[in-house]
Amino acid sequence: KAGVTQTPRYLIKTRGQQVTLSCSPISGHRSVSWYQQTPGQGLQFLFEYFSETQRNKGNFPGRFSGRQFSNSRSEMNVSTLELGDSALYLCASQSRTGGKTDTQYFGPGTRLTVL
Amino acid sequence: KQEVTQIPAALSVPEGENLVLNCSFTDSAIYNLQWFRQDPGKGLTSLLLIQSSQREQTSGRLNASLDKSSGRSTLYIAASQPGDSATYLCAVERGSTLGRLYFGRGTQLTVWP
Repeated sequence: KAGVTQTPRYLIKTRGQQVTLSCSPISGHRSVSWYQQTPGQGLQFLFEYFSETQRNKGNFPGRFSGRQFSNSRSEMNVSTLELGDSALYLCASQSRTGGKTDTQYFGPGTRLTVL
Repeated sequence: KQEVTQIPAALSVPEGENLVLNCSFTDSAIYNLQWFRQDPGKGLTSLLLIQSSQREQTSGRLNASLDKSSGRSTLYIAASQPGDSATYLCAVERGSTLGRLYFGRGTQLTVWP
């Protein structure tokens, strides 16, 4: 079974631009969560999508948004990029069978650098 | 608010030692707790998941215990090897926010030959 895939793996942008990151969960998994990892703040939760609906949201500004498609693939968008948005962005998938949670499986991440 | 703390922040040991990594959390109303491993610049690999009703889980040389009432978990690594060198992260999931993991800052482990 293929794991969680994220594209692109590396991205360089300049301040003020916007970016879209993509995540394909493990086949059959219906939940996708997004996290930001920085040396200063560690791993911080952005949001979680389950069955195309945002179920949870972390404490990030509205510049960070996401969506989930009917095939469970998810995208995350960051508008008006700031230097502080430079980070490793990780997505994770869960099966959420019967609405219950289990192991979250993480992708390799997208390394975003904002210049 | 759920806060997760991991001690120690870094650990350097010779090969063959048995290790204990500690994790504590402030809100005992957790749904489950997971231990992950992260290699430099890579994603997270799930090691063990303990449901709130369980006391421990084992996988090979790894054993994780959970004491919900005291807000603590330990990860025990037996007979450490250089390949175990990585950052180990503890994360809890709350029943009120399923799908959201609260992470500690991790323990950076170095096992030297």
